[in-house]
Amino acid sequence: DVKVTQSSRYLVKRTGEKVFLECVQDMDHENMFWYRQDPGLGLRLIYFSYDVKMKEKGDIPEGYSVSREKKERFSLILESASTNQTSMYLCASSLPSGTGETQYFGPGTRLLVL
Amino acid sequence: AQSVTQPDIHITVSEGASLELRCNYSYGATPYLFWYVQSPGQGLQLLLKYFSGDTLVQGIKGFEAEFKRSQSSFNLRKPSVHWSDAAEYFCAVGNRDDKIIFGKGTRLHILP
Repeated sequence: DVKVTQSSRYLVKRTGEKVFLECVQDMDHENMFWYRQDPGLGLRLIYFSYDVKMKEKGDIPEGYSVSREKKERFSLILESASTNQTSMYLCASSLPSGTGETQYFGPGTRLLVL
Repeated sequence: AQSVTQPDIHITVSEGASLELRCNYSYGATPYLFWYVQSPGQGLQLLLKYFSGDTLVQGIKGFEAEFKRSQSSFNLRKPSVHWSDAAEYFCAVGNRDDKIIFGKGTRLHILP
């Protein structure tokens, strides 16, 4: 059974803190994604990685960075957390196909920045 | 540019009634289409997908969707809903760079 796990289900941080969100997949997928989900806005892509050490900005990368040192792990970093980054963060992975392959999602991390 | 529109933000149906969730897409070529479901506090789970072939696609949990190219639609249906179907549903279109464009979602409420 495919599995994407995220390090925390809930996280509370203070403004200005550095925050790390971890995502691990066990499917040997090349592609990994970070989204944020806000009510009424759906899912918005923050960053995309198509291979180890490779990354591409999504639609809303400002205030975020990512790291992918190993194929199975993709980290999202908030360099200096702000209250407008309070949100649900979802990680996903997929195979590369050039056609829009099925993405498999983790359970999400709900982040509150005070 | 590719886009997905889900015109209904909320839908309420009675348990046992039929359901149809609407989805319209904008895509220049043959689309790869998905429906995902998100239960409260959870990640997204794939319900079904259309890549090619038969335009009526069967998915998990008794859901089906029909691709209509002439209407640029991919509506999700279920003949009889159960209370456990209460969730948020996302329609999505795949892109050739392996990304997926998601609609803003439709929240389904079930009346007992």
